[in-house]
Amino acid sequence: GNSVTQMEGPVTLSEEAFLTINCTYTATGYPSLFWYVQYPGEGLQLLLKATKADDKGSNKGFEATYRKETTSFHLEKGSVQVSDSAVYFCALGVNRDDKIIFGKGTRLHILP
Amino acid sequence: DTEVTQTPKHLVMGMTNKKSLKCEQHMGHRAMYWYKQKAKKPPELMFVYSYEKLSINESVPSRFSPECPNSSLLNLHLHALQPEDSALYLCASSLRGESTDTQYFGPGTRLTVL
Repeated sequence: GNSVTQMEGPVTLSEEAFLTINCTYTATGYPSLFWYVQYPGEGLQLLLKATKADDKGSNKGFEATYRKETTSFHLEKGSVQVSDSAVYFCALGVNRDDKIIFGKGTRLHILP
Repeated sequence: DTEVTQTPKHLVMGMTNKKSLKCEQHMGHRAMYWYKQKAKKPPELMFVYSYEKLSINESVPSRFSPECPNSSLLNLHLHALQPEDSALYLCASSLRGESTDTQYFGPGTRLTVL
């Protein structure tokens, strides 16, 4: 079946540090891959998305590249800010399925 | 307008009460979703309405009753809930209801059942 595995948190970094949150997937067919972010007290919002192999999604300084050969979609940011403190969910959707699969989420704390 | 709105923001109810959660979107999306999210967990899908018809019910207890009066509105009627139903309830919408679509989430209703 389809599944998403992401690194367990919490992840604690100092401001301006480099961030990587790992995400790997198992899917039949050709999934679309997502990163959603949930700030404290809010709902989820799309951070970035990629729909085919080698696509790079980017937004707000975050990037992730759809790697079919390693079935991965790792989230990176070169210099994190305190305002990036949130929970990050990796997710996938497969054509002809009608629901997306979320990873367990990674809580990120950025210290000033 | 890329906003999904939910009311109320917070709700406290007893186990014998009846209440409703409301969700609205004006993006022309044809699919709407209810999720339940417990602390430190990902959202769990409860129901999906696609083109105003219930397309997914994830074996949710009958004390939760969804309703989709039109393509912009989604309700969740609550009756005889249990304390373990306390959670954040999230509404979302997407363009066509396909899993490859981006879902747009509301801010949620924080429900506490006493």
